[in-house]
Amino acid sequence: QSALTQPPSASGTPGQGVTISCSGSSSNIGGHTVNWYYQLPGTAPKLLIYSDDQRPLEVTDRFSASKSGTSASLGISGLQSEDEAYYYCTTWDDNLNGPVFGGGTKLTVL
Amino acid sequence: EVLLVESGGGLVQPGGSLRLACATSGFTFSSYGMNWVRQAPGKGLEWVSYISYGSDTLHYTDSVKGRFTISRDNAKDSLFLQMNSLRAEDTAVYYCVRDVNYYEGLFDYWGQGVLVTVSS
Repeated sequence: QSALTQPPSASGTPGQGVTISCSGSSSNIGGHTVNWYYQLPGTAPKLLIYSDDQRPLEVTDRFSASKSGTSASLGISGLQSEDEAYYYCTTWDDNLNGPVFGGGTKLTVL
Repeated sequence: EVLLVESGGGLVQPGGSLRLACATSGFTFSSYGMNWVRQAPGKGLEWVSYISYGSDTLHYTDSVKGRFTISRDNAKDSLFLQMNSLRAEDTAVYYCVRDVNYYEGLFDYWGQGVLVTVSS
């Protein structure tokens, strides 16, 4: 049971938008910045969003993120088939005294 | 181009040992903290261990404390994970991961991973 809670699955049709949530507590999201990674099946994770809402240069602006209180969310607009992947949020946890990952959300593009 | 290449995985019996290695290139290894992150089959990601660029700070997740030891050789641009007293629950793909801000759970480059299977 991770300290960060993500829905196990999400889905949308091509062109639609979808939001993936990441819920935590004051010991993690409430006091630290959130990062998001995506992982295609059988490959290593890649950084998608850092410091709550910042995109690396190579990441398309179809991806956005925000944080409020002890929750964070990742938004994907204009869904494409290649967005089908697992998405993980992560941050630091003061109680665990280490980085913590959410359980991951499998995004299916129908 | 930043490259991280893990090696040393394989099948080991419970109670056994393995030493993972990560060969790096494309960046100044001695300037970065490094991590090991693992992923059990069909499961999510779990941070395992961190080492600062100068090896003065070492951190481990509770489940591996006293059993795993992280180390690095800055002269050889390499990261290591010595895993002793292995358990079935240590079965996972182990990723070598470059650190950006350990205290915010921010990593950037990941290796392709190496599979460790603990089974009799």
